Amino acid sequence: GQNIDQPTEMTATEGAIVQINCTYQTSGFNGLFWYQQHAGEAPTFLSYNVLDGLEEKGRFSSFLSRSKGYSYLLLKELQMKDSASYLCAVMDSNYQLIWGAGTKLIIKP
Amino acid sequence: DAMVIQNPRYQVTQFGKPVTLSCSQTLNHNVMYWYQQKSSQAPKLLFHYYDKDFNNEADTPDNFQSRRPNTSFCFLDIRSPGLGDAAMYLCATSRTGGSGANVLTFGAGSRLTVL
Repeated sequence: GQNIDQPTEMTATEGAIVQINCTYQTSGFNGLFWYQQHAGEAPTFLSYNVLDGLEEKGRFSSFLSRSKGYSYLLLKELQMKDSASYLCAVMDSNYQLIWGAGTKLIIKP
Repeated sequence: DAMVIQNPRYQVTQFGKPVTLSCSQTLNHNVMYWYQQKSSQAPKLLFHYYDKDFNNEADTPDNFQSRRPNTSFCFLDIRSPGLGDAAMYLCATSRTGGSGANVLTFGAGSRLTVL
């Protein structure tokens, strides 16, 4: 079966750095996506990785290792507004998106 | 601004009373999706349209139906809502090919409450 694993919940301090990990087992691979979802709202796109390595976008970076079936989302200089769920999703060989259940990130002052 | 718009944002219905949720998009994306999401769970794909081709997920209950009368609009019909159908229903769009392909743009969602 296809599976995406990510921690259920993480806590971090305002101004700090946090890394959210995602491991996956899918039938083929056509890219990995990270989405941010605030409580009661729709997911919004953060990043896309299809090749190994690090993609940086301002305070957010995403890393991919296809051989390890592993990605992480790195958030720097955390702000209170970063409190949200972070969803990892992988596109399989049929271009179907397989979603993780999300990591709820709690930011404390 | 180009966007995905869902109506209504909040829908309260009685057990067994049919509900229709709508989605419109101005992005000219060729793929449209309906997802169901319950609290602290991953979005669950119900249907998607690739252009006019309708794709029904194998485990989507018959109680759920969908229509896409044209490129811009898509509807989700829940024929006889049960308590277990209370959830957020998310419409999303994407396009195939080109820069930004396969990135989903979501509407704000329709939250369904079943009494």
